[in-house]
Amino acid sequence: GDSVTQMEGPVTLSEEAFLTINCTYTATGYPSLFWYVQYPGEGLQLLLKATKADDKGSNKGFEATYRKETTSFHLEKGSVQVSDSAVYFCALPPNAGGTSYGKLTFGQGTILTVHP
Amino acid sequence: DTGVSQNPRHKITKRGQNVTFRCDPISEHNRLYWYRQTLGQGPEFLTYFQNEAQLEKSRLLSDRFSAERPKGSFSTLEIQRTEQGDSAMYLCASSPMGSYEQYFGPGTRLTVT
Repeated sequence: GDSVTQMEGPVTLSEEAFLTINCTYTATGYPSLFWYVQYPGEGLQLLLKATKADDKGSNKGFEATYRKETTSFHLEKGSVQVSDSAVYFCALPPNAGGTSYGKLTFGQGTILTVHP
Repeated sequence: DTGVSQNPRHKITKRGQNVTFRCDPISEHNRLYWYRQTLGQGPEFLTYFQNEAQLEKSRLLSDRFSAERPKGSFSTLEIQRTEQGDSAMYLCASSPMGSYEQYFGPGTRLTVT
C-alpha cells in the first residue's frame, strides 16, 4: 500500500541555518505530494504542494521538488527563522490518477526547533 | 475567512464514559474527514464523508466509534465506553469537490482518565 517515510527528528537549528527534511514515498502511479505544517497548539496547514513529476512547490521560503526517479519530495529552506519552529508532515493523497478522494497518508512528522 | 472549526477543543473524561465531538467544515466543501493523531505520530485516517454519505472507514474505527454527517454539513464523532487508549487529538478536515487538498481544523484533544 501507499506509504510515506520522513527523516527522523527532532531537528534543532540556529536561526538562518539551512534546512532539509527528507521525505520518500511508495505509491502506485505519480500522485500529488504535499507538505503540511503544524504550529504549536494549532491544526495542520498546507505548506506547499506539487502535482506532477519535476514540479517545484514553494511557499514562505520553503521549497520541495517532486523527484519521481527517487520517489522523493524533500523540504528545504535556505534560512530558517525562530517562527518556523513547528512539526512538518509529508503527505500523499490516495489512488494516484484515480477518482478516490479519501484519506491522506502522512509521514510520522519531523519536529523542527529553531533557536535565535 | 471561516476555516474548519471543531468543538470542544479539549475534553477530559473518565474511562467508560461516552464523548461526542463536532466538526463544522468550510461551507462549500462537500468532503469531510476525521483523523486521529497521537503524540509523535502523523494523523491516522478514521473515516470520510462525501456530502452525507460515509464512503470509507478505517479499521481503526472500532464498534465503539461512530461518525455522522446527517445533512451533509457538520459532522459528529462519538466514542462510546471510552478507554485510555482513546486519548489522542481528533482532527477534522474538509476539501472541495475535485481537490485532493484537505483543510484541517484545530482538533479536539481527548484525555481519558
